[in-house]
Order: sequence, then C-alpha cells, then structure tokens
Amino acid sequence: QQQVKQSPQSLIVQKGGIPIINCAYENTAFDYFPWYQQFPGKGPALLIAIRPDVSEKKEGRFTISFNKSAKQFSLHIMDSQPGDSATYFCAASRVGQGAQKLVFGQGTRLTINP
Amino acid sequence: NAGVMQNPRHLVRRRGQEARLRCSPMKGHSHVYWYRQLPEEGLKFMVYLQKENIIDESGMPKERFSAEFPKEGPSILRIQQVVRGDSAAYFCASSTLGQGEQYFGPGTRLTVT
Repeated sequence: QQQVKQSPQSLIVQKGGIPIINCAYENTAFDYFPWYQQFPGKGPALLIAIRPDVSEKKEGRFTISFNKSAKQFSLHIMDSQPGDSATYFCAASRVGQGAQKLVFGQGTRLTINP
Repeated sequence: NAGVMQNPRHLVRRRGQEARLRCSPMKGHSHVYWYRQLPEEGLKFMVYLQKENIIDESGMPKERFSAEFPKEGPSILRIQQVVRGDSAAYFCASSTLGQGEQYFGPGTRLTVT
C-alpha cells in the first residue's frame, strides 16, 4: 500500500518531443506528489510538485497532470532538449499527517536524442 | 552555498569497519531525512530526524545502523561493521516544518571492499 509504481523504466525521445512519465499509487492518504530529476553522480533535484486539490500544475516546460480518482499522476516535458536527459523519479508522501517520508517510484531513464 | 551539504562524497571501507556519513541541512531547515539508493534503483527512506529526536526510523535496518541529529553540528548516519551489501549512495535531504519539499544533498557513495 506504500508503493509508488512508475513507468516506463526507460524512454527515448527526439529533441522537441514530449516525453510522458507515469506514476500510480495505492495509498489514498498521500497528499503531496513531487518529481525529482537526477543526473549521474548527483543528488535528486526537486523539479515540480502537486497536491491533490488541483489536476494540473505547470512550471516552465514541466507539467504535472494529476488524476485523483485513478490515483495516477504524470510528468510531461514540453519541447524536450538533450540537456533533459536524466533519470526522473516520482514520489509521494503524507505531509498533512506529519509522515513526511517520501516513497519513491523506481525511476525512468530518459534520453533525448539531438 | 546554502544547499544541503554531505561529506565525505566518497567513502571506501573494508568489511567490518565503521562508516560515518555527515549531513548539514539547508540554512533554516530543522528536519533531516536519510535515503539509500542502490545501483540502478530508486531511493529508499531510512530515517527522519529533527534536532535531538528521531521521528521515524521505520526504514532503518534493525542492526548496525544508527542516526543522530544533535543540537549542534551535522546529522550523522553511522554504519557499524559494514558488509558488501551496504555499498550504495546515501542521500540526505532537509525540509522546513510541515512542508513537503525536501531538498537533497549530493550524496555519499559508500564502497565496501
């Protein structure tokens, strides 16, 4: 019930395309859903996050879509660039209940070809 | 640099030795989390601490692992009698009270030989 399932495991997209990464969760108590970007040898960097009271959030070229009834959320990267090539992780936590530990998905290795 | 700081960045230990990993949270952050990342895997929660208190240690192995966040100084993750399976990247993150946003440090890559 604590799991977050992420797909696909890897994704290759041409420059300018829109990669989409999906995550699904089971625990309806989760109330905070961030996405992290990680480059090799570096720590995860917070990209964008959403709470379940909204269905979409945009920050620059990154968009989260959230479907509360389906318990799914996804990351879209507009006008993707080779510099976006990295591993992306979705996560979830129960901030409102003080249980702030993040439960991570398994990660998606994204490659943007020039 | 106001970000989360971790040291050392790389640590090599022989089986049976002790490993000490340090984490200084972002300025103004009083909550620290430790996560472990095995090669080609996601991050797994280990422990959540506030100053002088362990709030949630549900992800910590029962033996050989301990963590502290003293009133003064960095948070310490301590691994006693390391084994090869402890080889991983250990990340620290910090946040402010009641906020979901966690900011990660660069990690400590532990190699057990």
